[in-house]
Amino acid sequence: SQQGEEDPQALSIQEGENATMNCSYKTSINNLQWYRQNSGRGLVHLILIRSNEREKHSGRLRVTLDTSKKSSSLLITASRAADTASYFCATDATGAQKLVFGQGTRLTINP
Amino acid sequence: DAGVIQSPRHEVTEMGQEVTLRCKPISGHNSLFWYRQTMMRGLELLIYFNNNVPIDDSGMPEDRFSAKMPNASFSTLKIQPSEPRDSAVYFCASSFLGVGETQYFGPGTRLLVL
Repeated sequence: SQQGEEDPQALSIQEGENATMNCSYKTSINNLQWYRQNSGRGLVHLILIRSNEREKHSGRLRVTLDTSKKSSSLLITASRAADTASYFCATDATGAQKLVFGQGTRLTINP
Repeated sequence: DAGVIQSPRHEVTEMGQEVTLRCKPISGHNSLFWYRQTMMRGLELLIYFNNNVPIDDSGMPEDRFSAKMPNASFSTLKIQPSEPRDSAVYFCASSFLGVGETQYFGPGTRLLVL
């Protein structure tokens, strides 16, 4: 079964609005990462948050991590058409020796 | 830096044929990963190498799949014989900090087995 599961599976918003995606996981982790995948392309790393961190920012991205709830959220502020992509969370579970990717959230930004 | 390079970008072959996918990781990276992405199963780790040594191949679906990394700058994933259910996008990724750290993905090889 998937370690990380994103919610929602698909999200469609208007340009300029904020987009929030969530990721839940099952076991303890060393870190959690978010990646973006544009259609037909490889994944691009966005941000990594470690288990002892609660929030990180990178430009218009804000990631939170709640280890007690085993969940993370990715917030994209002031969305742009170019943000249209699939977003994946990936967890480095303790002792797993691998990154496990969720199924992704497909984000569509309407102009 | 050129990033992770994969070839070919697209491959169409007939069932039973041998398929070889190639990857050049980012220079200086010591971990290399092969993933397969399908609509049904999402992104799956097939195998990863650390310092050219295979560490975990538990994701390799069956004996028809094999992977090698003869040196730090080159890896291959081979499918022999190929089957229609192998149709997928195959990604190579590399990392310099370890398996659980940031991974840099190539553009992928889109494989269609007829």
